[in-house]
Amino acid sequence: GENVEQHPSTLSVQEGDSAVIKCTYSDSASNYFPWYKQELGKGPQLIIDIRSNVGEKKDQRIAVTLNKTAKHFSLHITETQPEDSAVYFCAARGGSTIDNAGGTSYGKLTFGQGTILTVHP
Amino acid sequence: ETGVTQTPRHLVMGMTNKKSLKCEQHLGHNAMYWYKQSAKKPLELMFVYNFKEQTENNSVPSRFSPECPNSSHLFLHLHTLQPEDSALYLCASSQATGTSGFPYEQYFGPGTRLTVT
Repeated sequence: GENVEQHPSTLSVQEGDSAVIKCTYSDSASNYFPWYKQELGKGPQLIIDIRSNVGEKKDQRIAVTLNKTAKHFSLHITETQPEDSAVYFCAARGGSTIDNAGGTSYGKLTFGQGTILTVHP
Repeated sequence: ETGVTQTPRHLVMGMTNKKSLKCEQHLGHNAMYWYKQSAKKPLELMFVYNFKEQTENNSVPSRFSPECPNSSHLFLHLHTLQPEDSALYLCASSQATGTSGFPYEQYFGPGTRLTVT
C-alpha cells in the first residue's frame, strides 16, 4: 500500500518568513495530493491540492509543487501570518483497486504524520 | 464551516458502555468516511461508504460498527471499547469514489473527541 512520510514534524517561523513542508510517497500510481490545515478543535480543511498531470499550483500565498519522478511534493507558504499557525497534513491517493462491492475504487487517501507550524508575531 | 456536522463533540464512556457517534453532511455528497486521529499518528481510515454501501473496512475491530442509512447520515456504534480507542473520530464526505479517474475532495467534520475510561 501507499506510504507517506512528512517532514518536519514541527516548524517555527517568524511572521513574514516562508514555510516549506515536504512529503514523500511510495506508490508511483498515486495521482492526487491534497494538503489539509487543522486548527485546534476543528477537523482538517482542504487548503490546496495538486493532480499528477501538473507540476505546480498556486493559490495566493500558498503553493504546492510535485515531482513525480522523485515521488515527493511540497507545500510552500509565503509571507506567513500568525493565523497560519496550525497542523498541516499532506496526503496521497494510491492507485485503483477492486473494492468490496466488486467495483473499481480509485484508491484511498493516505495521510502524512502532520507538521505543527507556529508563526511567531 | 464545512457542511459536515458531528455529534457529540465530546464523549466520555466506560469500557462496558454502548454509545453512537453521528455524522451528517449537507453537501449532496454520496460517499462518507470514518477516520481515527490519534496523537502523533497519521489519520487512519476506518470505513468508506459509497451510495450507502460499505466499500472499505480497513481491518477495524468489531467493537466499532458503522451504519449508513442514507447518503447524508453516517453513524459509528461503539461497544466495549478499550482505553487505546481514545482518539478524535473524524467523519468526511465527498462525491462518490470510483466514478472517474480522479478523486473528489474530501470535506471533514469537526470530529468527536472520545475518551474511554
